[in-house]
Amino acid sequence: ETGVTQSPTHLIKTRGQQVTLRCSSQSGHNTVSWYQQALGQGPQFIFQYYREEENGRGNFPPRFSGLQFPNYSSELNVNALELDDSALYLCASSRDGANYGYTFGSGTRLTVV
Amino acid sequence: TQLLEQSPQFLSIQEGENLTVYCNSSSVFSSLQWYRQEPGEGPVLLVTVVTGGEVKKLKRLTFQFGDARKDSSLHITAAQTGDTGLYLCAGVGNFNKFYFGSGTKLNVKP
Repeated sequence: ETGVTQSPTHLIKTRGQQVTLRCSSQSGHNTVSWYQQALGQGPQFIFQYYREEENGRGNFPPRFSGLQFPNYSSELNVNALELDDSALYLCASSRDGANYGYTFGSGTRLTVV
Repeated sequence: TQLLEQSPQFLSIQEGENLTVYCNSSSVFSSLQWYRQEPGEGPVLLVTVVTGGEVKKLKRLTFQFGDARKDSSLHITAAQTGDTGLYLCAGVGNFNKFYFGSGTKLNVKP
């Protein structure tokens, strides 16, 4: 079975632009969550999608939005990029929620200049 | 503020030594998980504990969930250089919110 794949692996954007990051979940998984990880820090939970509905959200502003598609793949959209948005963005998938652990992708490194 | 506090933040030990990493919170979690992350990679799940007082062993790693489901520990026996990495605890809170600790960076020297 394939694991979680994220694209692109690296991205450079200018402040004020918009960005879309993509994630393919592991086969058989119906839950996807997204995280922001700054250098030297633990990941921060952005939101979780279960069967195409957002069912959990961390302390991130509305300019962070997402989608989950019928095949359970997902997108993270960030509008009006700020310099502080520079980070590693991780996607993770699981079967039926978070209680039994997530499988993570390798992340997208976003740099905002 | 971090909902899950990990200690120590950094640990540098010789191969063969034992170590314990702690993960503490004032909140109750329905489950608590431990992950290991290497540079440039996503975290990899080591274990999930769901029952207060639960102890799980994976070869040289022992995980414990506190009776009140607010804290956990990870003990490594006879550390090896391959154990080097960032160890993260994570908990499932209310409203499907998922919290990571700030991590413990372990360096095992040969």
